[in-house]
Amino acid sequence: NAGVMQNPRHLVRRRGQEARLRCSPMKGHSHVYWYRQLPEEGLKFMVYLQKENIIDESGMPKERFSAEFPKEGPSILRIQQVVRGDSAAYFCASSQNGGAQETQYFGPGTRLLVL
Amino acid sequence: GENVEQHPSTLSVQEGDSAVIKCTYSDSASNYFPWYKQELGKRPQLIIDIRSNVGEKKDQRIAVTLNKTAKHFSLHITETQPEDSAVYFCAASTRLSNDYKLSFGAGTTVTVRA
Repeated sequence: NAGVMQNPRHLVRRRGQEARLRCSPMKGHSHVYWYRQLPEEGLKFMVYLQKENIIDESGMPKERFSAEFPKEGPSILRIQQVVRGDSAAYFCASSQNGGAQETQYFGPGTRLLVL
Repeated sequence: GENVEQHPSTLSVQEGDSAVIKCTYSDSASNYFPWYKQELGKRPQLIIDIRSNVGEKKDQRIAVTLNKTAKHFSLHITETQPEDSAVYFCAASTRLSNDYKLSFGAGTTVTVRA
């Protein structure tokens, strides 16, 4: 059973370009969470999605960032007009269901570097 | 919203000694508390979790205790080994309007000295 998959693993962008990060949840999981981790810092919640629905996006900047989880295909975190401060590791996690006691399993992360 | 505090931020122990990491949370409705281990450049991996219907859980050298009244929970690693060196994150479930999410502590960097 493949775990959570993310691609690309590393992404280099110049300021002003767009970054697209993809996350395929574990088989049978329909809930996806995105986190950002700055170097030597903790995991900051960004957004929680179910298929075709954004459940909570309170941690995601309102400008330039968007996320989707379509009926078919991976979840996408999109960052438009990237700036140097967007450089970070972006992890997604998935769970089988929502709810208070659901275990989240993390993907390997995408390390974004903005030049 | 939920506020999860984690202490200490760094911890250095001699191989064979025990390591203890403590977390507090603010949302009294939280009822799920996982712990993740993250090695350098790797993904966070779940090592143990506890649900609010128990006060303690053990898995070999790792144990977690939960005090719901005081709203704190702790990770205990006994007989530490060099491979235990990593960053450890605690988390607590946080209620949303129609679902839940996890709120994470800032992490503890554990170094086990050989």
